[in-house]
Amino acid sequence: EAGVAQSPRYKIIEKRQSVAFWCNPISGHATLYWYQQILGQGPKLLIQFQNNGVVDDSQLPKDRFSAERLKGVDSTLKIQPAKLEDSAVYLCASSRDPNYGYTFGSGTRLTVV
Amino acid sequence: AQSVTQLGSHVSVSEGALVLLRCNYSSSVPPYLFWYVQYPNQGLQLLLKYTSAATLVKGINGFEAEFKKSETSFHLTKPSAHMSDAAEYFCAVSVPQGAQKLVFGQGTRLTINP
Repeated sequence: EAGVAQSPRYKIIEKRQSVAFWCNPISGHATLYWYQQILGQGPKLLIQFQNNGVVDDSQLPKDRFSAERLKGVDSTLKIQPAKLEDSAVYLCASSRDPNYGYTFGSGTRLTVV
Repeated sequence: AQSVTQLGSHVSVSEGALVLLRCNYSSSVPPYLFWYVQYPNQGLQLLLKYTSAATLVKGINGFEAEFKKSETSFHLTKPSAHMSDAAEYFCAVSVPQGAQKLVFGQGTRLTINP
């Protein structure tokens, strides 16, 4: 089966600009996750979707971050306005059954200058 | 809430030597446990997972891990290190109920010396 697709792979923006990331999960995977991985740290969950509904967004900085999953398939994560501390790799993952595993995309590396 | 602690942010071993990466977890209910590997500029690849079946779990690339409830540990081992094992390794925990999600440790960077 095809993997989790993410784009772009790399993005450099200036602080206060906006940016959007896109994720296409594996077909049939109802659960979709966005993680933020800061250099030298483990991934941190930002938001979890079940189909097109939000299950957990407790760690999403809602004053600047937003995410949606239209029609329960693709998802976009947006940052507006970006701060220097948002520099990180943004990983998307999907799962058919979270009890048995999650498949991660290659990530988008964001650099805010 | 569940959490994971990986002991040692950086581990260095010689090629052919035993690899031991340590992971301790905290969970109020019986957890599911995972080890992932991350190569430079790549996403996370599942090495192995424990989901309440056999406590000794075998994964890809010769890795294995043992779930020890009494020690709340899930250490990752490989008998003989290979140069290609150099990467970042992450231990993660989830619980099989509610909003199931992976909670990661901070990672251990494994370096292999020739």
